[in-house]
Amino acid sequence: SQQGEEDPQALSIQEGENATMNCSYKTSINNLQWYRQNSGRGLVHLILIRSNEREKHSGRLRVTLDTSKKSSSLLITASRAADTASYFCATDYPGANSKLTFGKGITLSVRP
Amino acid sequence: DGGITQSPKYLFRKEGQNVTLSCEQNLNHDAMYWYRQDPGQGLRLIYYSQIVNDFQKGDIAEGYSVSREKKESFPLTVTSAQKNPTAFYLCASSILRPWGYGYTFGSGTRLTVV
Repeated sequence: SQQGEEDPQALSIQEGENATMNCSYKTSINNLQWYRQNSGRGLVHLILIRSNEREKHSGRLRVTLDTSKKSSSLLITASRAADTASYFCATDYPGANSKLTFGKGITLSVRP
Repeated sequence: DGGITQSPKYLFRKEGQNVTLSCEQNLNHDAMYWYRQDPGQGLRLIYYSQIVNDFQKGDIAEGYSVSREKKESFPLTVTSAQKNPTAFYLCASSILRPWGYGYTFGSGTRLTVV
């Protein structure tokens, strides 16, 4: 399977702390994307990083990509209770014909 | 507001019944996708379509069927051949060119076999 793997599976932090989530994948990619899912809802696209980029920022989100290690990390700074959700990485592989492959997700709990 | 609408939010199916899940988008996106989500397994691709009147099987297409008669609509039928249909179903759409702008998801349909 080309499915990406997130790490850790679950993360619990205090409000105001930073949350770091990791994603590893197996083969070369065109881009890697991060999504958030609140309980019982659809996924929301957060950020996309292309294979020729190393770091990208969007508000309190920072994503890094290391293609030599086939891994990415998502950092949420100054977390809030509203950040409590599941986070998924998704990879776009060459030849995948626009299909994304999703990991199993990370459950983030931010305690007030 | 542009978006993607799934209905119904909850659906109950009796054994041996076919049921159809609706997915409509007004984003003018070319591609549409159906995913199944089970606890602890992430999202698995059922079917996808990049153009009207054409669609492709994903990783778990058995027991499902789709149609794409209009650009805006991509309904999914869960047939009686699907042995374990209880799951959360998510529809998504995306542009194809230029590529790399992510998917827009609907809010999902939770299907339960009773």
